[in-house]
Amino acid sequence: NAGVTQTPKFQVLKTGQSMTLQCAQDMNHNSMYWYRQDPGMGLRLIYYSASEGTTDKGEVPNGYNVSRLNKREFSLRLESAAPSQTSVYFCASSEISPHQPQHFGDGTRLSIL
Amino acid sequence: QKEVEQNSGPLSVPEGAIASLNCTYSDRGSQSFFWYRQYSGKSPELIMFIYSNGDKEDGRFTAQLNKASQYVSLLIRDSQPSDSATYLCAVNQGGKLIFGQGTELSVKP
Repeated sequence: NAGVTQTPKFQVLKTGQSMTLQCAQDMNHNSMYWYRQDPGMGLRLIYYSASEGTTDKGEVPNGYNVSRLNKREFSLRLESAAPSQTSVYFCASSEISPHQPQHFGDGTRLSIL
Repeated sequence: QKEVEQNSGPLSVPEGAIASLNCTYSDRGSQSFFWYRQYSGKSPELIMFIYSNGDKEDGRFTAQLNKASQYVSLLIRDSQPSDSATYLCAVNQGGKLIFGQGTELSVKP
């Protein structure tokens, strides 16, 4: 069972470059999320998609865009990468019910020079 | 004030002892509460969730919720060195999970 799959696992970018982080889930979940994790900061929500066709901003959306391509896939795009976006990015999925937990992918470690 | 607060630790306990991890939250409308374990360099994995006042037990783990005090805790009995990790408290608020900064637990043999 794959669960939540993120690609790539590692990436190094130069300031100003763009890239898209991919996320796919095979659990038929309605909701998907993107987080970033920085040392001592816990997980902070960037964007989420409560259901196919909807996206909403989270706590730290600036500098990012998202696309809910279909029920399985939710991508995160950095249009012009900045060193402050160096972080570990996690994608997660869940059912809509507030009592259902989120399941996480393995993460993408992104460094911006 | 952060919406979900945890002591960052590190919390150090000897092998076989009870580890007690605490979390407070600010939104009284919060509906459900989750504990995740995260090993260094890995993704968070779910340990427990609770949404009713009281205790919920699963093996060596017990989650405790007190909505009046806006407090949720995780007890780990018979702690093992393999329990050494960062424990993240997460609170569901309006369909979104708000995470605390995590508590680092170290279990010494």
